[in-house]
Amino acid sequence: DAGITQSPRHKVTETGTPVTLRCHQTENHRYMYWYRQDPGHGLRLIHYSYGVKDTDKGEVSDGYSVSRSKTEDFLLTLESATSSQTSVYFCAIRPDIPPNQPQHFGDGTRLSIL
Amino acid sequence: AQSVTQLDSQVPVFEEAPVELRCNYSSSVSVYLFWYVQYPNQGLQLLLKYLSGSTLVKGINGFEAEFNKSQTSFHLRKPSVHISDTAEYFCAVVANSGGYQKVTFGTGTKLQVIP
Repeated sequence: DAGITQSPRHKVTETGTPVTLRCHQTENHRYMYWYRQDPGHGLRLIHYSYGVKDTDKGEVSDGYSVSRSKTEDFLLTLESATSSQTSVYFCAIRPDIPPNQPQHFGDGTRLSIL
Repeated sequence: AQSVTQLDSQVPVFEEAPVELRCNYSSSVSVYLFWYVQYPNQGLQLLLKYLSGSTLVKGINGFEAEFNKSQTSFHLRKPSVHISDTAEYFCAVVANSGGYQKVTFGTGTKLQVIP
């Protein structure tokens, strides 16, 4: 395994509440990514990070924020959860050397918003 | 811009039969190609990758894929499937934009192996 841990693995919460998902890596990789997976859509990028305190938006970033204060941790926050954010969330990491290497994924967090 | 098309959302196949899962892509720049497998309640696991060199790429669990630039395809094949191959398979196209790796995933193909 690539040394990625996502927590929690499952969460049920109510609309309007804040939610934070954690991705922890032990590989010391520079790049970290958050995706959501929904039926019929494959995986879609929410945010990514290219270093401590360096983050940028992906294609479906509305309603999400991220933070990376340490190399090993990448947090995804839903400030005010909505039912449309019910999904399975995956974190991925990638080394920057050698280039063009594939991303390695965590086991996911299943989030249900009622 | 880049895109990936997996035309088959589900592929049923009998055990020990061969299988091909199709992937077509479009991109205005050179790409790198990957196939991932996802078992239930798990993350995506890399099956194989094409970065350069030989267009026939061998991966784990007996899978292989062939990069065809003229047809912009990267189909996944296995000569004889097992029950344990039942999973969802994702094709992914990567184009580098500076240091950021833009990955576009297909919508997935569910392989159902029938005993």
